[in-house]
Amino acid sequence: DAKTTQPPSMDCAEGRAANLPCNHSTISGNEYVYWYRQIHSQGPQYIIHGLKNNETNEMASLIITEDRKSSTLILPHATLRDTAVYYCIVRVVFYGGSQGNLIFGKGTKLSVKP
Amino acid sequence: KAGVTQTPRYLIKTRGQQVTLSCSPISGHRSVSWYQQTPGQGLQFLFEYFSETQRNKGNFPGRFSGRQFSNSRSEMNVSTLELGDSALYLCASSPLTGNLETQYFGPGTRLLVL
Repeated sequence: DAKTTQPPSMDCAEGRAANLPCNHSTISGNEYVYWYRQIHSQGPQYIIHGLKNNETNEMASLIITEDRKSSTLILPHATLRDTAVYYCIVRVVFYGGSQGNLIFGKGTKLSVKP
Repeated sequence: KAGVTQTPRYLIKTRGQQVTLSCSPISGHRSVSWYQQTPGQGLQFLFEYFSETQRNKGNFPGRFSGRQFSNSRSEMNVSTLELGDSALYLCASSPLTGNLETQYFGPGTRLLVL
């Protein structure tokens, strides 16, 4: 099963871009990269996902390297409310199309400072 | 639409006891997944139920079990509790099995084992 590694913590100044890296060096061809975040005392919230192309939505951008061994989540203009633990998840798909196990890393604690 | 609800929110048990946690998904959602979150291990997937059938299972011992009812409500049971079972147990619901981008989390049940 592919696993992810993320830095345990990062700081970012309010209004600046937050770039959160994730390594998934053993990812296989049919595995997607998902990002979630968890604000203190709340359940995790889906942010974005991708397979090989870069993706953007109203919350963030996801940059996946060409070899797919790493990715970066970009919050373009971080606010204080973006302070949270960010999880990079690789989704395993078993033969037969079932969704397989979901493997979460320990996440990166992002602190956005004024 | 009401969100995912979990009961109880807080629970204190002693070693050797068993516990049952309950999760009511968002109306219309048929998939319910359970996760364990601890400071040391982060967020770990326990299992997923869809249409009353267990679809996926994480790497947890057989003391952890679950079930889903015809109304999609789910229960999780932990038998012979150990100190290490102290954690936040999160439930998430989704319209489809394994669909992370439409997975909504509940507030969690915080279990303390003494």
